[in-house]
Amino acid sequence: EDQVTQSPEALRLQEGESSSLNCSYTVSGLRGLFWYRQDPGKGPEFLFTLYSAGEEKEKERLKATLTKKESFLHITAPKPEDSATYLCAVQPPNQAGTALIFGKGTTLSVSS
Amino acid sequence: NAGVTQTPKFQVLKTGQSMTLQCAQDMNHNSMYWYRQDPGMGLRLIYYSASEGTTDKGEVPNGYNVSRLNKREFSLRLESAAPSQTSVYFCASSARQAGTDTQYFGPGTRLTVL
Repeated sequence: EDQVTQSPEALRLQEGESSSLNCSYTVSGLRGLFWYRQDPGKGPEFLFTLYSAGEEKEKERLKATLTKKESFLHITAPKPEDSATYLCAVQPPNQAGTALIFGKGTTLSVSS
Repeated sequence: NAGVTQTPKFQVLKTGQSMTLQCAQDMNHNSMYWYRQDPGMGLRLIYYSASEGTTDKGEVPNGYNVSRLNKREFSLRLESAAPSQTSVYFCASSARQAGTDTQYFGPGTRLTVL
């Protein structure tokens, strides 16, 4: 069964304290891996798509990387406004249509 | 562009009542989706529509029906609401980029069934 597991479930950081979030998956023949940010009471906001092992993408203080079995979302010198839940999702090759399989998310809290 | 819009934002129903959740997108996307999000469960796919005129079941379709009214609009109907359908419902649409489909989400409808 295709699965996506995110860790940790929750992460508390001080402003400026860099860290990484993990997303591991058991999908073979991945078509794409997605990172989203979700603020309380809002819909997921698209951040990145990664397609193949070794690929990296950056946006402001965030950098996403991909290996054959997992992806990391690195947060460099976070600020309080980076506090949110970060969701990882994968698009397997044999999934009907274009559906995504989501992890349960990592809730990040950054305090000043 | 408004992106993906959903109505209503909040709704309270009694068990057995029916309602329709509305979704519209102005990005000219072919595919549209309905998900539900429950605490500790993550986002789960209810139904999707790969293109106008087609719909397919996702992971948790029981108790729901959908209509792809045209390319822009995709509605989700609860015929007889149950407390187990208390959840936050998200609509999404997708664009194909580099062989995969990036999904963009609406703001959600928060539904409580008493």
